[in-house]
Amino acid sequence: DAGITQSPRHKVTETGTPVTLRCHQTENHRYMYWYRQDPGHGLRLIHYSYGVKDTDKGEVSDGYSVSRSKTEDFLLTLESATSSQTSVYFCAISGGQNHNYGYTFGSGTRLTVV
Amino acid sequence: SQQGEEDPQALSIQEGENATMNCSYKTSINNLQWYRQNSGRGLVHLILIRSNEREKHSGRLRVTLDTSKKSSSLLITASRAADTASYFCATDSGNTPLVFGKGTRLSVIA
Repeated sequence: DAGITQSPRHKVTETGTPVTLRCHQTENHRYMYWYRQDPGHGLRLIHYSYGVKDTDKGEVSDGYSVSRSKTEDFLLTLESATSSQTSVYFCAISGGQNHNYGYTFGSGTRLTVV
Repeated sequence: SQQGEEDPQALSIQEGENATMNCSYKTSINNLQWYRQNSGRGLVHLILIRSNEREKHSGRLRVTLDTSKKSSSLLITASRAADTASYFCATDSGNTPLVFGKGTRLSVIA
């Protein structure tokens, strides 16, 4: 979607390797989010950021870390990838903390851990 | 855990018919939002309804909210093949990120 890009779009990695997914926005939005989407589970929040260097955990944060060193970029790192982390990962941005704002989503990263 | 739960999980209708999807949630909310996801794409924001609103319209979309029953419905009128997608409700319960349901898969048959 315009204003938010995710990279890579697809990645295959081996169990035990670290993986970093990138979310880049050009909207200067304060809030950024990482969700994962799995069949039967819908979207589940991994981590989110409410400003540069300000992050917090979501529902399924174990095995993941994030960093936000500048407004535009929010990185998601799988410290040691496992097969259970095979999923589609979505980044989203918001101009405000939910109230009266919708989220804008990226196109997703499909990650396969073999 | 999911706050919103959509019903039905899947819905198949003929082009021109109306499609209704429901969302139930558990705790009090500030607003409820509906999103659409086409296959292989990210979610797209459709409409937001605040907790003090009962009904909202946007084009062929009509959303209702019943806070006493903790439920919402999304009605798509005169459906088209292009409406084929998954639809998600998401709840805003305060200063926390949106919580999404598992979605309803809508198929509109031409």
